[in-house]
Amino acid sequence: QSVLTQPPSVSGTPGQSVTISCSGSNSNIGSNYVCWYQQVPGTAPKLLIYRNNQRPSGVPDRFSGSKSGTSAALAISGLRSEDETDYFCAVWDDSLSGPVFGEGTKLTV
Amino acid sequence: QVQLQESGPGLVKPSQTLSLTCTVSGDSISSGDFYWSWIRQSPVKGLEWIGYIFFTGRTYYKPSLRSRATISVDTSKNQFSLKLTSVTAADTAVYYCARGNWGPHFDYWGQGALVTVSS
Repeated sequence: QSVLTQPPSVSGTPGQSVTISCSGSNSNIGSNYVCWYQQVPGTAPKLLIYRNNQRPSGVPDRFSGSKSGTSAALAISGLRSEDETDYFCAVWDDSLSGPVFGEGTKLTV
Repeated sequence: QVQLQESGPGLVKPSQTLSLTCTVSGDSISSGDFYWSWIRQSPVKGLEWIGYIFFTGRTYYKPSLRSRATISVDTSKNQFSLKLTSVTAADTAVYYCARGNWGPHFDYWGQGALVTVSS
């Protein structure tokens, strides 16, 4: 059971936009940067967003991150079939003294 | 192109020690620009950070695993390793090595190594 809460699943149709939420507390999201990862089953997670809203080189600008208070969100616009996979939030937790991951959200397109 | 590759036994008996090595190519652990991590993933616990090591050998562990985990580095081979003692079935997971900055930012990952704890 993670200290970060994500919805187990979200869905959207091609071309639409969806948002995946990540809820935490003052000891994690409230005081530290959030990252987002995309993971295709059977492969390693891929960094999508770092420092709340920064995209690594090569990540399309359809993916965007935001943070407000003790919650963060990953928005995906112009949904494509290849976006259908799992997404995780991650953040440093001051109480646990290390990075923690959300339980993941499965996106269905 | 930075690449990380885990290696080690895929089956470990209960109470024994799990040992994995991560070989890094395309970057030098000695550069001192990054932290090098072990992260595991299981259906029960999800993604779980185990610990970091810096090129100096300085280590940082998840508090609940600190008593059983040891991460070491061999800069001459550009490798770092994980040992996890007294394993149980709960340690069955895919183990990833990763490069990152301090925090939850991991930019390169190995492909993962499935380790099963079973007699």
